[in-house]
Amino acid sequence: DIQMTQSPPSLSASVGDRVTITCRASQTVGDYLNWYQQKAGKAPKLLIYAVSNLQSGVSSRFSGGGSGSNFTLTISNLQLEDFATYFCQQGYTPWTFGQGTTVELK
Amino acid sequence: QVQLVQSGAEVKKPGASVRVSCKASGYTFTTYYMHWVRQAPVEGLEWMGTINPSTGGTNYAQKFKGRVTMTRDTSTSTVYMELSTLRSEDTAVYYCVSSGYDTSGYPVPYWGQGTLVTVSS
Repeated sequence: DIQMTQSPPSLSASVGDRVTITCRASQTVGDYLNWYQQKAGKAPKLLIYAVSNLQSGVSSRFSGGGSGSNFTLTISNLQLEDFATYFCQQGYTPWTFGQGTTVELK
Repeated sequence: QVQLVQSGAEVKKPGASVRVSCKASGYTFTTYYMHWVRQAPVEGLEWMGTINPSTGGTNYAQKFKGRVTMTRDTSTSTVYMELSTLRSEDTAVYYCVSSGYDTSGYPVPYWGQGTLVTVSS
């Protein structure tokens, strides 16, 4: 199985900050890399699919990048509603997920 | 728009089985594979397996082989996931996820709202 290593596990930031979360796969995953936001008691919400494609209805403050086995999620101009947990996921069967990054208010 | 609606929360005793349903709408049911993912507090997000709604063919994660069964009913556009011999560690939220595509052919996952399964004596 492909292992997904996400970092950092948590970070503290302020409204207006720019934050970057990293996800590394144990082997190349091509375009099959997605990013999610999750809030307590809710299903994961798709933000970015296929590395850099913004899901419909998602703020353009979110952007994804990278290639091969190294990927990033960047949140620009952090807003109060962005404080949540973020996961990466690779789409080759069996799917695997990063352990999550919690973005907390500083 | 793609929508996946799952059945309600369940409480089961150890050793019992549970069946969770997932009704799809907004697309041609047989064109997108359906996956099941669960989320428990300790293990995080965990892929359980997938079913091809067109053929009924399945592919299960090694961890769940022998305990999980995924089926579909094309007449109602519904997929089912049954997990047997439940134990406390199976307490989790179970999600169905449809593996769709955008207009450019990129894979796009669509998630159901989740079903909480609690296993307790």
